[in-house]
Amino acid sequence: DIQMTQSPSSLSASVGDRVTITCRASQDIRNDLGWYQQKPGKAPNRLIYAASSLESGVPSRFSGSGSGTEFTLTISSLQPEDFATYYCLQHNSYLSYSFGQGTKLEIK
Amino acid sequence: EVQLVQSGAEVKKPGESLKISCKGSGYSFSTYWIGWVRQMPGKGLEWMGIIYPGDSDTRYSPSFQGQVTISADKSISTAYLQWSSLRASDTAMYYCARRVTGTGFDSWGQGTLVTVSS
Repeated sequence: DIQMTQSPSSLSASVGDRVTITCRASQDIRNDLGWYQQKPGKAPNRLIYAASSLESGVPSRFSGSGSGTEFTLTISSLQPEDFATYYCLQHNSYLSYSFGQGTKLEIK
Repeated sequence: EVQLVQSGAEVKKPGESLKISCKGSGYSFSTYWIGWVRQMPGKGLEWMGIIYPGDSDTRYSPSFQGQVTISADKSISTAYLQWSSLRASDTAMYYCARRVTGTGFDSWGQGTLVTVSS
């Protein structure tokens, strides 16, 4: 099974800050990775697919990069509505998936 | 518009059985895999399994194999997650999600909260 290691597990930042979240895969997953945002009491919402493609309607301050085993999600200028928990999800293994542990982004 | 609508919250006792549902609309339900994801209180997301409604081909995460059963009825565009004997540790939010080939899960249901308590 492919393991996803996400860091940090929590992060305090201020409105306007640039933040980066990282996911590392236990083996090469090419670009088969997505990033999801989850707000309390809500379902996850996909922000990025194929490691770096922005989902329609998602603000351009969100970006993804990486391939192989290391991936990053960057928020260029934090907005109040961005404080949430973020997860990566690999889908490289056929019909077998794994999430990162999550990163809780909190207001400093 | 793609929509996945899940059944409502459930409160059950240990040992009881349960089947929750996920109804798809706005797309060809039979031709997209539907996955199930667990989120225990205050914890992260865990992939449980996935089904292809067209022929009911099903795969399970090793962690959930034998613990739950995933099924689907393509005639009513609905996927199911069921337990034969619930435990307190099954208390969680459960989400269904549509898989798009090559890009993972794009659309999610609103979640079904299952509470198991004596």
